[in-house]
Amino acid sequence: GAVVSQHPSWVICKSGTSVKIECRSLDFQATTMFWYRQFPKQSLMLMATSNEGSKATYEQGVEKDKFLINHASLTLSTLTVTSAHPEDSSFYICSAGDLAGYEQYFGPGTRLTVT
Amino acid sequence: GQNIDQPTEMTATEGAIVQINCTYQTSGFNGLFWYQQHAGEAPTFLSYNVLDGLEEKGRFSSFLSRSKGYSYLLLKELQMKDSASYLCAVMDSNYQLIWGAGTKLIIKP
Repeated sequence: GAVVSQHPSWVICKSGTSVKIECRSLDFQATTMFWYRQFPKQSLMLMATSNEGSKATYEQGVEKDKFLINHASLTLSTLTVTSAHPEDSSFYICSAGDLAGYEQYFGPGTRLTVT
Repeated sequence: GQNIDQPTEMTATEGAIVQINCTYQTSGFNGLFWYQQHAGEAPTFLSYNVLDGLEEKGRFSSFLSRSKGYSYLLLKELQMKDSASYLCAVMDSNYQLIWGAGTKLIIKP
């Protein structure tokens, strides 16, 4: 159990365009979803925390108008990278926490390349 | 501030044992996690400790001392596939995960 999917697994887009990444909890209800970014050879960096039906809480230094997060249901959260630039190229990973509490279940990640 | 420290890189030999240490200073404590991450992949859960002591799970064991702010991950009978980064993370009083930078483990034949 506790499977989290992400779509797409990789995407290449042109500078200035927007990209939407979906994160779904397939077999459990995720009260909280987390979005991370990971640059090569670096650790995970938490971007934002979203709770179903409420606004996301962004970490310091993360532009909320650039990284739009929507958590419309207990099984789906989306991250939209607006007006993407090459420096946004990274590995984006979502994770979901279930109602029981402590563990986070990670999606497989989305590799974004902005040309 | 909140801080998680773990070595950047370690090297070990196939079949041997390796211990990866993690020390932490966080605002509150609701458990410590170890994750394994292979290059280009998302992290996968290895262990969770919230009480002091050793938790054993097959070839992997995790130890916690809350009074010392210290944990270690012990890997036995190392296999080449264990080459990966190992991430230590602490859940603080707000139930947020604070992540270490990860330890890259290199296994040599």
